[in-house]
Amino acid sequence: GESVGLHLPTLSVQEGDNSIINCAYSNSASDYFIWYKQESGKGPQFIIDIRSNMDKRQGQRVTVLLNKTVKHLSLQIAATQPGDSAVYFCAENRNAGASKIIFGSGTRLSIRP
Amino acid sequence: DAGVIQSPRHEVTEMGQEVTLRCKPISGHNSLFWYRQTMMRGLELLIYFNNNVPIDDSGMPEDRFSAKMPNASFSTLKIQPSEPRDSAVYFCASSFEGRNSPLHFGNGTRLTVT
Repeated sequence: GESVGLHLPTLSVQEGDNSIINCAYSNSASDYFIWYKQESGKGPQFIIDIRSNMDKRQGQRVTVLLNKTVKHLSLQIAATQPGDSAVYFCAENRNAGASKIIFGSGTRLSIRP
Repeated sequence: DAGVIQSPRHEVTEMGQEVTLRCKPISGHNSLFWYRQTMMRGLELLIYFNNNVPIDDSGMPEDRFSAKMPNASFSTLKIQPSEPRDSAVYFCASSFEGRNSPLHFGNGTRLTVT
């Protein structure tokens, strides 16, 4: 069936380095993608989004890249900090007529001091 | 902005009991979503509403689950009767316009059914 999945379930990064979290999606009709961060005991928190008519979008310390050819999404975090430790989810909007946001399985990012 | 408010934060109940989870979306948001999170299945969309009307409930696992949105500022998710496999964290989220707008999540209700 269709799914949104992640290549790596866990990622360990040295503090100060850049982090790259990857996501593969299978629904070519999806036209809106979002990255969320979830800390322990909290709900997912919006980080950045991108529409399918773009291939790159930048925020504060974060960049999302979208490659529609291979159905791949990535989140880049610059100068990773201890506060970036969390589980990161990619999500996609699969319903062209409304909002059906489906989440991937998540990647845990841990920061080494 | 108080954010999405869910209650209770924790619920422990015995199998067979009725459970009601509550959600107050962000004022002005017109779409509301219920998700369930478990280690095995991740974040699953159960149902979502647009302008208080249920749009897609295909994620609701069984007839034991029901959701209502009587007005723009309140929604409930009810499980009757509850079973141990319903144990999970249930999240409510809301968004403005609903289409290509990010969801804002509450902090969830952790449900334990013994």
